[in-house]
Amino acid sequence: EAGVAQSPRYKIIEKRQSVAFWCNPISGHATLYWYQQILGQGPKLLIQFQNNGVVDDSQLPKDRFSAERLKGVDSTLKIQPAKLEDSAVYLCASSQSPYNEQFFGPGTRLTVL
Amino acid sequence: GQQLNQSPQSMFIQEGEDVSMNCTSSSIFNTWLWYKQDPGEGPVLLIALYKAGELTSNGRLTAQFGITRKDSFLNISASIPSDVGIYFCAGQGNYGGSQGNLIFGKGTKLSVKP
Repeated sequence: EAGVAQSPRYKIIEKRQSVAFWCNPISGHATLYWYQQILGQGPKLLIQFQNNGVVDDSQLPKDRFSAERLKGVDSTLKIQPAKLEDSAVYLCASSQSPYNEQFFGPGTRLTVL
Repeated sequence: GQQLNQSPQSMFIQEGEDVSMNCTSSSIFNTWLWYKQDPGEGPVLLIALYKAGELTSNGRLTAQFGITRKDSFLNISASIPSDVGIYFCAGQGNYGGSQGNLIFGKGTKLSVKP
C-alpha cells in the first residue's frame, strides 16, 4: 500500500514570496491533516479536513495560509506571502477517520530567506 | 493552549542500555500515542494507549497510560543503534470543536554515546 506522498521535498524562497505544497493521502483515507513542525518542536496541527470539508482550522494563520481539498482526495497548502518564521517542515497526514491512526508523509522542508 | 511536557529533551545511549522517557500534561487526554521520527521522515506510530493505567508492549518498547490520564512513559529495553531518532508523545482527545486532533510534545532525541 502506497504511503502519503508530498511534494516538493524541499523549497527555498525569499520572504514575501508565495509557495504551495501538495499532498496525496493514502487511498480511501477520508481525513487529511496539515501540520507545521518548527525545528526542535513537535508537529502542530494547522488544518484538518474530513473529505473535502474543513473540520478544524483554528490554528491556521488565515491571513497568509490557505488550504483546499477540492475533490476530497489530494490537498494543497499555500502560503502567501511567506515570512521568515514560516521556515519549518510541513507534514501531511491521513487517516481513515478522525480517531484512526494517522499516517504521515515525509514532509516538505521550507526555508524562507 | 494545551501543552505536553516531555523529558528528557535528549539522551545518549550505549547499545544494550535501557531507556526511559516520559510525558506530562495539565489536561486529560482520551488517548496517548508515542511516535518515532527519523531524519527527513514523518513520525511513525510506535504504541497507542487507550485506557487509564494501560500497559502496552511492542517488541522491546513498553508504554503506560497514567491513571490520571495526564501522563505517560515509554521504555526501550536493550537499545540498538537503530533506536536513534526523535521520540514524540502525543495526546488525543475530543476537546473544543476538534475531532481526534493530536497535541505533540517537543520530543526526546536519542543519540549514540560517542
